[in-house]
Amino acid sequence: QVQLKESGPGLVQPSQTLSLTCTVSGFSLTSYNVHWVRQPPGKGLEWMGRMRYNGDTSYNSALKSRLSISRDTSKNQVFLKMNSLQTDDTGTYYCTRDRAYTTNFDYWGQGVMVTVSS
Amino acid sequence: DIQMTQSPSLLSASVGDRVTINCKASQNINKYLNWYQQKLGEAPKLLIYNTNNLQTGIPSRFSGSGSGTDYTLTISSLQPEDFGTYFCFQHNSWPTFGAGTKLELK
Repeated sequence: QVQLKESGPGLVQPSQTLSLTCTVSGFSLTSYNVHWVRQPPGKGLEWMGRMRYNGDTSYNSALKSRLSISRDTSKNQVFLKMNSLQTDDTGTYYCTRDRAYTTNFDYWGQGVMVTVSS
Repeated sequence: DIQMTQSPSLLSASVGDRVTINCKASQNINKYLNWYQQKLGEAPKLLIYNTNNLQTGIPSRFSGSGSGTDYTLTISSLQPEDFGTYFCFQHNSWPTFGAGTKLELK
């Protein structure tokens, strides 16, 4: 069945780089897009960026200078890297998928909580 | 970027009530509007896509409508499992979410 699972460090120091992995199963990264969405504690959702099925990437303009998304299709993994972390980057980070150009997020990972603190 | 304004931010209702949640876009989003439900500690769940299309497995008491800049999610008869937070989401251009509507038991 379709699954997405985020993994990465729970704690990151300010000014450091966050590295997260989304490992997927039950579908192909060459047929579906994978997006990253984050949520500060008790707040709303923010779309961060996407890895398209064809390898193209798009980023939220507010994060573009700090964010990079890549993938390894042989390992069924999509990676997020974001540098210069600050305390307001604290939150739950989700990966989710959509088919081609629908932007309908039908399956989500469970999310990974990231705290930015010294 | 397109701004999405949701209202109300908090909605108190009882089981069996008909409830509506509104979302207003800062410009025409051509019906590229989805609705998600999120329960505490869980990932969001897709309810409705492209304004009025019910996602597979979602009960028919959920419906959506709207056009242009104004969109509505309606729950015809509230059930206990419907309490949670609802987010609208536009994907006409760079994707953006509304701030959310918390639906609580009155």
